[in-house]
Amino acid sequence: KAGVTQTPRYLIKTRGQQVTLSCSPISGHRSVSWYQQTPGQGLQFLFEYFSETQRNKGNFPGRFSGRQFSNSRSEMNVSTLELGDSALYLCASSFSAGGSYEQYFGPGTRLTVT
Amino acid sequence: QKEVEQNSGPLSVPEGAIASLNCTYSDRVSQSFFWYRQYSGKSPELIMSIYSNGDKEDGRFTAQLNKASQYVSLLIRDSQPSDSATYLCAVGPGKETSGSRLTFGEGTQLTVNP
Repeated sequence: KAGVTQTPRYLIKTRGQQVTLSCSPISGHRSVSWYQQTPGQGLQFLFEYFSETQRNKGNFPGRFSGRQFSNSRSEMNVSTLELGDSALYLCASSFSAGGSYEQYFGPGTRLTVT
Repeated sequence: QKEVEQNSGPLSVPEGAIASLNCTYSDRVSQSFFWYRQYSGKSPELIMSIYSNGDKEDGRFTAQLNKASQYVSLLIRDSQPSDSATYLCAVGPGKETSGSRLTFGEGTQLTVNP
């Protein structure tokens, strides 16, 4: 079974621009969560989508948004990029929403904001 | 107090030894606990999940959970150089919380010396 895929793998953007990242979950998985990983803050939860609905949202500004499509694929968008948004953005999929379901991470998208 | 704390690293053990990684969490209603391994430049890989008090063994890995003490650990027996990585402890939400939000510790860097 194919794993979680994320595109693009690497991205360089300029301050003020916006970016869209894509995530395709494991086949059959309906829940997609997004995390940001930085050396200073570690892994932090951004949001979770299940059945095209946002179930949970982390403590990030409104510039960070996401959505999920009917095929469970998800996208996240960051508008008005800041230097501090440089990070590894990870998508994780699980069979269903709920703490007892194991989450599997994709390879991540490395975003650099200059 | 951080929500999830891991023993400070880096941790260095000789090949063949037992590596012990520890994690404490602050939310008493947490119900699910995970250990992820992350190699440098890669995304986190799920290696163990545990939901009930006691021990859970999988190959060379043993996870231990004590909800009363809010403590979870990971033992790696017969450590190999290929086990050298950062190990992340993740805690899922309690039953009353919908969604799959994971809270991560900062990670413990393990080096296994040949």
